[in-house]
Amino acid sequence: KNEVEQSPQNLTAQEGEFITINCSYSVGISALHWLQQHPGGGIVSLFMLSSGKKKHGRLIATINIQEKHSSLHITASHPRDSAVYICAVPPEYSGGGADGLTFGKGTHLIIQP
Amino acid sequence: DTAVSQTPKYLVTQMGNDKSIKCEQNLGHDTMYWYKQDSKKFLKIMFSYNNKELIINETVPNRFSPKSPDKAHLNLHINSLELGDSAVYFCASSHRPGRGYGYTFGSGTRLTVV
Repeated sequence: KNEVEQSPQNLTAQEGEFITINCSYSVGISALHWLQQHPGGGIVSLFMLSSGKKKHGRLIATINIQEKHSSLHITASHPRDSAVYICAVPPEYSGGGADGLTFGKGTHLIIQP
Repeated sequence: DTAVSQTPKYLVTQMGNDKSIKCEQNLGHDTMYWYKQDSKKFLKIMFSYNNKELIINETVPNRFSPKSPDKAHLNLHINSLELGDSAVYFCASSHRPGRGYGYTFGSGTRLTVV
């Protein structure tokens, strides 16, 4: 069973700051997901990555497969980035068990104006 | 246009009642899921359903039963609701579990048992 650890659990920063959220997992995977959930809102998939780095606007996700670690960065943070960010890993192709994502506990990010 | 749609968005009901939450996806995905999000925002898999094969998380009480009339629908039926069932339930879909396929989530159903 893959254990997924995220840090920090809570993060408050000022508008414009560079944000980093970390995720580590215990079992090798094919890809890792970063998800975003605004207060009272649904879950949106931000990235799915299996190697290297992906960028979308001010969001950058990196992954190091050997070290079983991923980071999500937000550049020039804005109050609208305030949300819960969740990393998740898929089941490995092994059969058995419910084949859903295994999630980290999430990082509650607040960006103050 | 909604890719994964859930209804209702909010559900308030009394203990002991039976209720259902509906989920439909129009993405042509092979696999559908139900996830539960607790009050601390922690998400956990409840069920996955792929090509008529149901895989159940062993921690889910048997009061919860998914029902899939076809590949595009996976409804969640809950019998004898308890206070501890209060949570947000998310439906999701993907082509296949693992192997680098993306997941699409519904907007969630907030269930409150009183």
